[in-house]
Amino acid sequence: ETGVTQTPRHLVMGMTNKKSLKCEQHLGHNAMYWYKQSAKKPLELMFVYNFKEQTENNSVPSRFSPECPNSSHLFLHLHTLQPEDSALYLCASSQGGGAARNTDTQYFGPGTRLTVL
Amino acid sequence: GNSVTQMEGPVTLSEEAFLTINCTYTATGYPSLFWYVQYPGEGLQLLLKATKADDKGSNKGFEATYRKETTSFHLEKGSVQVSDSAVYFCALSNSGGSNYKLTFGKGTLLTVNP
Repeated sequence: ETGVTQTPRHLVMGMTNKKSLKCEQHLGHNAMYWYKQSAKKPLELMFVYNFKEQTENNSVPSRFSPECPNSSHLFLHLHTLQPEDSALYLCASSQGGGAARNTDTQYFGPGTRLTVL
Repeated sequence: GNSVTQMEGPVTLSEEAFLTINCTYTATGYPSLFWYVQYPGEGLQLLLKATKADDKGSNKGFEATYRKETTSFHLEKGSVQVSDSAVYFCALSNSGGSNYKLTFGKGTLLTVNP
């Protein structure tokens, strides 16, 4: 595997379910991100991790719970979601670390298409 | 704060037509500017970037020049192909704590007809 992978690619869940999204990067990067992409809205940054530590939580509801066990893996745990949470969830990674620069490119995975019934 | 405004489209062109997608930004300091492309069913891919004023990014026939005086980063291509049909996102990267955060425009859907 190369680049950034995400599983599952599609997920349908009820409002009372608990599920998890997984992201893995094979680029040796130190920073990982979760974004939400909804129709007709700009991409919304949700969380940022750098060296496994959360450095950004963009006022995301607590029904979304991220986990970063190491610099290569990022999870998004979902519980008691609402229909308006249906969206494409994108994971990205960048070099990050102590030498993060605004010139760093973020590399994106293909996303998980989530539908909440 | 940081913001990016781009023409929302959709934009529909015939093959070999000239493409311009306008992008303007608001930011403090010295951001880097990016164009990402999203093909159907895929994630975002970096198309090109520019990291300082007057830099020109280019890739696959696409070009964009970082214009600080007009705070713009318009995307152009001289002759589009059907395979260029996708959603194009303009973005800027600026300081955000220990990481540099990307701020995206809303995206422009481009459809190229044969």
